[in-house]
Amino acid sequence: DQQVKQNSPSLSVQEGRISILNCDYTNSMFDYFLWYKKYPAEGPTFLISISSIKDKNEDGRFTVFLNKSAKHLSLHIVPSQPGDSAVYFCAASKPPTTDSWGKLQFGAGTQVVVTP
Amino acid sequence: SQTIHQWPATLVQPVGSPLSLECTVEGTSNPNLYWYRQAAGRGLQLLFYSVGIGQISSEVPQNLSASRPQDRQFILSSKKLLLSDSGFYLCAWSVGRSSNQPQHFGDGTRLSIL
Repeated sequence: DQQVKQNSPSLSVQEGRISILNCDYTNSMFDYFLWYKKYPAEGPTFLISISSIKDKNEDGRFTVFLNKSAKHLSLHIVPSQPGDSAVYFCAASKPPTTDSWGKLQFGAGTQVVVTP
Repeated sequence: SQTIHQWPATLVQPVGSPLSLECTVEGTSNPNLYWYRQAAGRGLQLLFYSVGIGQISSEVPQNLSASRPQDRQFILSSKKLLLSDSGFYLCAWSVGRSSNQPQHFGDGTRLSIL
């Protein structure tokens, strides 16, 4: 049961433009959402997160938007740079409890290619 | 600062052979530790997590097991590997119990079963 979905397997964007990555989730119990960036043969690197009490969180060129009613989050990268070419994963977790504590559900990832 | 080490980086093993992958974390105490697997073209699937020495929770029934013999050491094992065990294995850590915190990943082990 895929509770976190990234429906776009790939995205191509020109350098300097905005990259918009989308993620949908089905479990209304999720209250913490994260984006990770992954280069080939490396582990994912944490980028940015958002709690369900917010609808926007910004960190430099990265902004995450959360629409709880639509169960949708997005990551905006502005401006896109060639070094942003990587696979981006969204992830979500429920509030910590003794049996669901700390577990992240990941989407399948979106491959971003930033062209000059 | 905290660092996480995984080894080996790549491993080729025959079907039926045993497996031991090791992960250690430095710069923090009592971390939460995780093992994930990423199959080709798919997201990360949580295999095991641990909140303390000797405490292991398994997420999916499988051919693998995990152990945490020391506070910052997490080991993934198998007695007899299957072809379906091929994949990219990632160890991760986080801190905290009362609130959600990001997990931080090692560089992974690429496991190929022949």
